[in-house]
Amino acid sequence: GAGVSQSPRYKVAKRGQDVALRCDPISGHVSLFWYQQALGQGPEFLTYFQNEAQLDKSGLPSDRFFAERPEGSVSTLKIQRTQQEDSAVYLCASSLAGLASNPGETQYFGPGTRLLVL
Amino acid sequence: GENVEQHPSTLSVQEGDSAVIKCTYSDSASNYFPWYKQELGKGPQLIIDIRSNVGEKKDQRIAVTLNKTAKHFSLHITETQPEDSAVYFCAATFSGYSTLTFGKGTMLLVSP
Repeated sequence: GAGVSQSPRYKVAKRGQDVALRCDPISGHVSLFWYQQALGQGPEFLTYFQNEAQLDKSGLPSDRFFAERPEGSVSTLKIQRTQQEDSAVYLCASSLAGLASNPGETQYFGPGTRLLVL
Repeated sequence: GENVEQHPSTLSVQEGDSAVIKCTYSDSASNYFPWYKQELGKGPQLIIDIRSNVGEKKDQRIAVTLNKTAKHFSLHITETQPEDSAVYFCAATFSGYSTLTFGKGTMLLVSP
């Protein structure tokens, strides 16, 4: 079956531009996560959705970062006024259940969007 | 805050040898420990996981061990093959919360 898909796969932005990154989770998955992966590092948590509710945004590095999942399926991560330090791979993951119902539910990752800010 | 330390950062082995990657975690309440494999240009892929009520789990050539007292867990790959070459990440959930905290990764290179 289809896995998690992300688009675009690559994005080059000039400093100060706004970007929008899309995630299509596995159909029926309740939980959706965004992670940021800097070069040579492990993924770091940004934000979490359970259906359409954004239950945790503690990892968002600044108020320039905004995420939404209005209908509980597709999610968009938006970065306003991009800075060079925003350059990274942005990973989306989904899992079948909500956090409370099954701690340790497997997270399935998409291929990521590689963002380069010049 | 929550922390996962992973060692070594790089590991080179000959085909057929075994490889071991070790991780330690900071929160004794952690209860879920997955291992992911990431190939170049791809997202992380789950290869094996273990929960806190189990000390060891094996799946063909891959095994994971967990020592809750010492707060460390390890990935063991036997009979390594060139296609095992990738970056491996350990991760842990903290205090029952399913958001993952990852280690910094181990680049495994298996030479033919």
